[in-house]
Amino acid sequence: AQSVTQLGSHVSVSEGALVLLRCNYSSSVPPYLFWYVQYPNQGLQLLLKYTSAATLVKGINGFEAEFKKSETSFHLTKPSAHMSDAAEYFCAVSEASGTYKYIFGTGTRLKVLA
Amino acid sequence: GAVVSQHPSWVICKSGTSVKIECRSLDFQATTMFWYRQFPKQSLMLMATSNEGSKATYEQGVEKDKFLINHASLTLSTLTVTSAHPEDSSFYICSASRSGGTGELFFGEGSRLTVL
Repeated sequence: AQSVTQLGSHVSVSEGALVLLRCNYSSSVPPYLFWYVQYPNQGLQLLLKYTSAATLVKGINGFEAEFKKSETSFHLTKPSAHMSDAAEYFCAVSEASGTYKYIFGTGTRLKVLA
Repeated sequence: GAVVSQHPSWVICKSGTSVKIECRSLDFQATTMFWYRQFPKQSLMLMATSNEGSKATYEQGVEKDKFLINHASLTLSTLTVTSAHPEDSSFYICSASRSGGTGELFFGEGSRLTVL
């Protein structure tokens, strides 16, 4: 069975500081991994995805994530936080066989302080 | 490309009535659509998976008679909340997969249901 753990339900950073949102996964088969962002009362927008190609994945809005199989991690980072980055972030895992059945983490709410 | 649209965005209804939420893939054919429920400040919980022309597959604990899902075409899936009660109030989100895709799902904007 697959699962996703997001450490830290709330993260606060100062504007311009490094953003680090943690995601660890569990999967018995090669996974696809995703990071999504959700703004209030909106759907989910894909930030980036890992689909067994390059382990360092670059996404939109300056975000990137590194797939580390040995650590079963897929942490999301951004060098410099912007006020507009304040949102809820979800990590998700699905089977690489393309079933599209996602398992979502519990989410991390990012707050950016001026 | 790959836009998924939900309608309505907001709906308020009286207890005991039924509400239909539509999920459309605007610029691609969606082989599979998924319906999620999201409680305030919580994650998305998968309710059901629907494939065009076949019955939806419901997750454990989801009442299929309460949440009717129809996937009549490759671009439209509907979720009907029957005999809605206040505990059905929630944010409902759909997603769709594209034929020949690489495992990525495309999400609708969500529909907030409030049952009075």
